[in-house]
Formats: sequence, structure tokens, C-alpha cells
Amino acid sequence: QVQLVQSGAEVKKPGSSVKVSCRTSGVTPGGSFNNYAVSWVRQVPGQGLEWMGRIIPALGDTTYAQKFQARVTITADKSTTTSYMELVSLRREDTAVYFCARRTDSVDDAFDIWGQGTILTVSS
Amino acid sequence: YDLTQPPSVSVSPGLTASITCSGDRLGDKFVSWYQQEPGQSPVLVIYQDYKRPSGIPERFSGSNSGNTATLTISGTQALDESDYYCQVWDSGLAVFGGGTKLTVL
Repeated sequence: QVQLVQSGAEVKKPGSSVKVSCRTSGVTPGGSFNNYAVSWVRQVPGQGLEWMGRIIPALGDTTYAQKFQARVTITADKSTTTSYMELVSLRREDTAVYFCARRTDSVDDAFDIWGQGTILTVSS
Repeated sequence: YDLTQPPSVSVSPGLTASITCSGDRLGDKFVSWYQQEPGQSPVLVIYQDYKRPSGIPERFSGSNSGNTATLTISGTQALDESDYYCQVWDSGLAVFGGGTKLTVL
């Protein structure tokens, strides 16, 4: 069974950066991890879901939402089936839950598996 | 690309709830719907407009035509009280609607 396991909660100061990990378990490094994009989605407290960007591990190809393009970098390590999302120049408004998500073979064009979420608190 | 959802919808137990999602020529795109309970990760309930993932009850259904997609929950139960989000892909970017809080009362 494919699962996404994210790193733990973070507390950061304004102006610093954070790097969150998302490991795909239940897949072989050369298997579906490579072929299906991993997306990152954030949710500010009390607000909706906001897509930040995605990476296709096989290609290293990334796409970012315009809002985050200047501050976010998404990477993937095929050997450990892990994706990373780094956000720099943190602001208090970046306090949110960050999710990774992707599809499996069971669906098309949708996110049918999600990580448990990583809480980021930005505070001085 | 913008998706518009009503902030809230109310329904009585056992009746049918309809949650809409509006966008320009939305019928030309595939719509997915997610259910999210407080403090939990979202769960996919409908993809490609009307398809249900394995394990999702048959009371969840979807449609999409023109500028509006609709998530319909038949025989709504108390456990269906959640936030619901629509989502599409537009030019390689994922877009979520603002979310609808479904209240079962």
C-alpha cells in the first residue's frame, strides 16, 4: 500500500527557511515513484487548500504556482523515494500545514494519497 | 483560473446535499472533489467528474457541464459533515476551489 510520510513539525523565525520531506513508502525506487508527480499543498489555519507546485521525479521537472515561484524549491531523491519542499524568506503568513500529495495507479488526474501534513509555525 | 464554491451548505439528515463549483468553461476540464475533516488530510471522493475511488460510498456522485460542477451526496449522514473542495488542472497547474463547509442538521 502506497503511503506518504512527512517530516515533523517545524518552528522557524521570519526570514529563515524550511525544508519539509515526504517519503513515498510501498513503492520501489524505480517504480511508480518516478513516474507520478508529487505535489505540495498548503493550508493556512482556517483557510482552504492552496497548491504550491509539483515535481515529476523521473524527469526532475518542476512546475510552481506563480504565488510561490520566487521562494519555493521542490526536489526529489529517487534513491530514497523522497520529495522535499524548501520555502525561503519565511513570513508569519507562511504559518500553515503543508501537505504532499500524489496519484496512484487507481485514479487519473487527482490526488488519491496525501501525507499526514507538516505544521510550520513562523514566529519571532 | 478561478473556482468558486459557496462557503457553506446545510442539509438535513437523509436528504440530498448539492455542492457546486463554478469556473469558466469548467465542463471542458476534469473535476475532482476532496473531503476534509478538521485536523485531517483531504480524502479524494470524486475524480474525473463522476468517478468514485475505491472505498467511497455510492451516495457520493458528481457531474460537470457548462460552467458548473456539482458534488451530490444522497441520503446525507452526520458523518458527511466536512469541508469539501473542488480541484482542476489548468495549463499544468492545480487549482482548488475555496471550499464549502457542509453542515448536517
